[in-house]
Amino acid sequence: GAVVSQHPSRVICKSGTSVKIECRSLDFQATTMFWYRQFPKKSLMLMATSNEGSKATYEQGVEKDKFLINHASLTLSTLTVTSAHPEDSSFYICSARDDNSGIHQETQYFGPGTRLLVL
Amino acid sequence: GENVEQHPSTLSVQEGDSAVIKCTYSDSASNYFPWYKQELGKGPQLIIDIRSNVGEKKDQRIAVTLNKTAKHFSLHITETQPEDSAVYFCAASNNYQLIWGAGTKLIIKP
Repeated sequence: GAVVSQHPSRVICKSGTSVKIECRSLDFQATTMFWYRQFPKKSLMLMATSNEGSKATYEQGVEKDKFLINHASLTLSTLTVTSAHPEDSSFYICSARDDNSGIHQETQYFGPGTRLLVL
Repeated sequence: GENVEQHPSTLSVQEGDSAVIKCTYSDSASNYFPWYKQELGKGPQLIIDIRSNVGEKKDQRIAVTLNKTAKHFSLHITETQPEDSAVYFCAASNNYQLIWGAGTKLIIKP
């Protein structure tokens, strides 16, 4: 149980284009999902908290118009990197919390990540 | 806000020996402490977690201990195997948001 998928696993795009990354909870409902960015040999950096049916909460320094988040259902959140530039190249990872896990609700289950390369 | 420090940054142990990774946190209100294992090019995988009402938790070769007074918690891996090689992250939480340690690269020498 508690499986999270991400699609695509890797993407290469040209500078100036937009890229959408999907995060799905496969066997549980997730009102709350998180989007992280990870640089090589570094820890995870929280970008935003995605809440189903409401606006995402962005961390300080993360541009909400640059990184668009939509959480339209209890099993799907999307991150769109708009007008991507080479500095946006990174490993993007999502996580989800299981709404029905009771006292274990703070546990985050992670997707496999998406490697983005902007040329 | 919460701050989590993790040591060592790199740990090399002989196969079959034990490995210990330590983390300290600053916010006494933190009450949930997970450990994640991340293999190269993959997302983090939860391997064990502990809550503040428990001092120790064990799952086969993996154990976690928590000292609330000292505000530190540790991951113990016994009888290490080559597949234990990965980066391990600790985290602390008191409001559903995880604050992460910097990670420990564990190398298992054959």
